[in-house]
Amino acid sequence: AQSVTQPDIHITVSEGASLELRCNYSYGATPYLFWYVQSPGQGLQLLLKYFSGDTLVQGIKGFEAEFKRSQSSFNLRKPSVHWSDAAEYFCAVVPIIQGAQKLVFGQGTRLTINP
Amino acid sequence: EAGVAQSPRYKIIEKRQSVAFWCNPISGHATLYWYQQILGQGPKLLIQFQNNGVVDDSQLPKDRFSAERLKGVDSTLKIQPAKLEDSAVYLCASSSLAGVPDTQYFGPGTRLTVL
Repeated sequence: AQSVTQPDIHITVSEGASLELRCNYSYGATPYLFWYVQSPGQGLQLLLKYFSGDTLVQGIKGFEAEFKRSQSSFNLRKPSVHWSDAAEYFCAVVPIIQGAQKLVFGQGTRLTINP
Repeated sequence: EAGVAQSPRYKIIEKRQSVAFWCNPISGHATLYWYQQILGQGPKLLIQFQNNGVVDDSQLPKDRFSAERLKGVDSTLKIQPAKLEDSAVYLCASSSLAGVPDTQYFGPGTRLTVL
């Protein structure tokens, strides 16, 4: 079945440590790929997106993501996290269907930062 | 540039009552989306409008949910009658390009509690 999987429901890291959030997708054709962040009480904010080209994508707030076709993955990384990065992170895809723009989200990964 | 506006921010109702949510997208955005986000899950698309027309409402429970986008700008989402399982955050989003994947900008959401 077509799906987006975020294997880690909750991750805790120390401030200043590196971060990697995992995302895998299961679609016949590589979909368009997105990472969104949701802070408490706020709407979703786009961190970065991948449509084609360079497989390492730079986003806002110091985040980057790498697309790996062979692994059907689009993992999000940050070299050094800040306390303000504590939030819920969602991987999402738009399947390659003509005219479709529907975002399909993963379950989300909640990030906690230890001081 | 003003973001996506939603009201109310919070709503508490009894089951079997009706409720309506309002969304004002970013000015000039042709496409408007309503998502339902149940606690602990990623958002799920309920309905997508392109200007006045419905593009995708395949996951909208049409026996109780309805939505309209008059004049291709504001939109309302209604639930009548509400069930306990409708407790969720209802997110509105908009994007500027029609027919191709584009960044979706999200509002802060309306948190609905059905008692």
